[in-house]
Amino acid sequence: AQKVTQAQTEISVVEKEDVTLDCVYETRDTTYYLFWYKQPPSGELVFLIRRNSFDEQNEISGRYSWNFQKSTSSFNFTITASQVVDSAVYFCALRGYYGGSQGNLIFGKGTKLSVKP
Amino acid sequence: GAGVSQSPRYKVAKRGQDVALRCDPISGHVSLFWYQQALGQGPEFLTYFQNEAQLDKSGLPSDRFFAERPEGSVSTLKIQRTQQEDSAVYLCASRLQRREGPDTQYFGPGTRLTVL
Repeated sequence: AQKVTQAQTEISVVEKEDVTLDCVYETRDTTYYLFWYKQPPSGELVFLIRRNSFDEQNEISGRYSWNFQKSTSSFNFTITASQVVDSAVYFCALRGYYGGSQGNLIFGKGTKLSVKP
Repeated sequence: GAGVSQSPRYKVAKRGQDVALRCDPISGHVSLFWYQQALGQGPEFLTYFQNEAQLDKSGLPSDRFFAERPEGSVSTLKIQRTQQEDSAVYLCASRLQRREGPDTQYFGPGTRLTVL
């Protein structure tokens, strides 16, 4: 079975603080994909990053960085120098390469990030 | 280019009414997914289309839920005899490729359904 766990339900930080959102996944697939999406109050899921299971290189995009560790089945997301505009619910998601799921995403329950000025 | 669009954005229905939710995927995208997102939860898979073929409907919660994509582009999710437990945000996503491949799903803004 595939599962994504985001243990942090809500996080509150003050602007300019760094914050890390945790994601732990379970899958029996040897090839899979991991995603992070942002859901602002408007409701639309905004794609942030996709990571392939065979590529463990960490990635940085501006203030965002992602730490993928297969050994611990984790794909954590760090926002450096957080800003009020980062306030949103963040979802980690998993997708197997094959299987009857036809490639649908398995989402965690999300972490609500509040950045206060 | 245009993203995924959904209409209506908000729908209030009385219990027992039928509703129809529309999704316009990104032009040329082969794959289309419907998800249901309950309050405070992550989206959960409902059904999948590859072009006009509905290849997976394993996530549909009951036979009151029906989806179609007759010409391989616009899709409609229909809920018959709505119940209060159907209240949720319904998200549509499209993807360029078929099942295989790493490409990304792009989501619409969702339709928030409230059943009174």
